[in-house]
Amino acid sequence: ETGVTQSPTHLIKTRGQQVTLRCSSQSGHNTVSWYQQALGQGPQFIFQYYREEENGRGNFPPRFSGLQFPNYSSELNVNALELDDSALYLCASSSDSLYGYTFGSGTRLTVV
Amino acid sequence: DQQVKQNSPSLSVQEGRISILNCDYTNSMFDYFLWYKKYPAEGPTFLISISSIKDKNEDGRFTVFLNKSAKHLSLHIVPSQPGDSAVYFCAAIGTGSARQLTFGSGTQLTVLP
Repeated sequence: ETGVTQSPTHLIKTRGQQVTLRCSSQSGHNTVSWYQQALGQGPQFIFQYYREEENGRGNFPPRFSGLQFPNYSSELNVNALELDDSALYLCASSSDSLYGYTFGSGTRLTVV
Repeated sequence: DQQVKQNSPSLSVQEGRISILNCDYTNSMFDYFLWYKKYPAEGPTFLISISSIKDKNEDGRFTVFLNKSAKHLSLHIVPSQPGDSAVYFCAAIGTGSARQLTFGSGTQLTVLP
């Protein structure tokens, strides 16, 4: 059983650029959630995708968008990057059974 | 507006002793609580959980206590081991359609040999 894999592991972007982060969910999981963890803080919910549809969104602006593909993998896109977007971005997958969230190791994004 | 709070950023404990990590919440709609452990360069890993209808759940060395009237939960680790050194996050799930996790800011536990 493979876990959740995220790519890339590290990324440096310039303010104003766009970025795409990728996540492969754990086998058998059909739900993907994305979280942003700023330095010294806990992860904050960005949004969730269930069977390719957005199923909930946290307090993040529209320049944060996502996709889920038929194989349940997912992308997080951030447009017009700001310095405050520098953070660890975590992907978590789960199945229809509640609370079984499995996290990936994250993508460390630095905006300069 | 932090709905889940971990007021102790760090805790040091001697090996073999008890570690007690605390968490407070403000949203009475939370109905499930979880503890995650995070090592550097890894994602959070699930440790133990408790439903709001219970006041205690035990799994080996780990016990979580929930006091609903005080909106407080705690994680007890007995006995503490050096491998337990990590950041511990308290998280809660409410009634939103996504059943998303709301995390506290974490407590760095250091278990000294």
